[in-house]
Amino acid sequence: AQSVTQPDIHITVSEGASLELRCNYSYGATPYLFWYVQSPGQGLQLLLKYFSGDTLVQGIKGFEAEFKRSQSSFNLRKPSVHWSDAAEYFCAVGARAAGNKLTFGGGTRVLVKP
Amino acid sequence: KAGVTQTPRYLIKTRGQQVTLSCSPISGHRSVSWYQQTPGQGLQFLFEYFSETQRNKGNFPGRFSGRQFSNSRSEMNVSTLELGDSALYLCASRGTSGGGEQFFGPGTRLTVL
Repeated sequence: AQSVTQPDIHITVSEGASLELRCNYSYGATPYLFWYVQSPGQGLQLLLKYFSGDTLVQGIKGFEAEFKRSQSSFNLRKPSVHWSDAAEYFCAVGARAAGNKLTFGGGTRVLVKP
Repeated sequence: KAGVTQTPRYLIKTRGQQVTLSCSPISGHRSVSWYQQTPGQGLQFLFEYFSETQRNKGNFPGRFSGRQFSNSRSEMNVSTLELGDSALYLCASRGTSGGGEQFFGPGTRLTVL
């Protein structure tokens, strides 16, 4: 069965500083990998995805993520955080053989200090 | 294109009642998935419908059911509501082209009293 771990429940970062959110997954083959962001009271917005090919993927809002098969990781990064990036971030894995079911990590809440 | 829409946005029910939530996917999308989000359990997959057929199901009791109509709109029903059913219910739609990513609606916040 697939699983996703986001080790950090909360992260506080100063505006303008860099941000890295960790994600580790468990899956027997190459999965589909996603990062979503959720603002309070809202649904999930897709930031970026990895299916195959280049292991460094670019997303919206200046985010990028790197797929590392050897570490079963898909960490999300942003070079310079803006106050509007304060939200909860979810890593998700989709099994290629299981249709459209996504398994989510527990989420990381990001607080941005002025 | 309009995004995924969910109605109603908020619901308050009492234990034992039943509830029906509605989801309209992005135009042209035929796959609709439902997820439950709670503070304790996080985001959990409920089920997925494709072309009016349930294609995948999560680990939820039979009180949770769904269906999909010929226009791809989907409903989910929860019968005999329990306090633990209070959650944000999210619907996601997926197209058949592109990268297969799922697009989420704003959710329905269900409160069971």
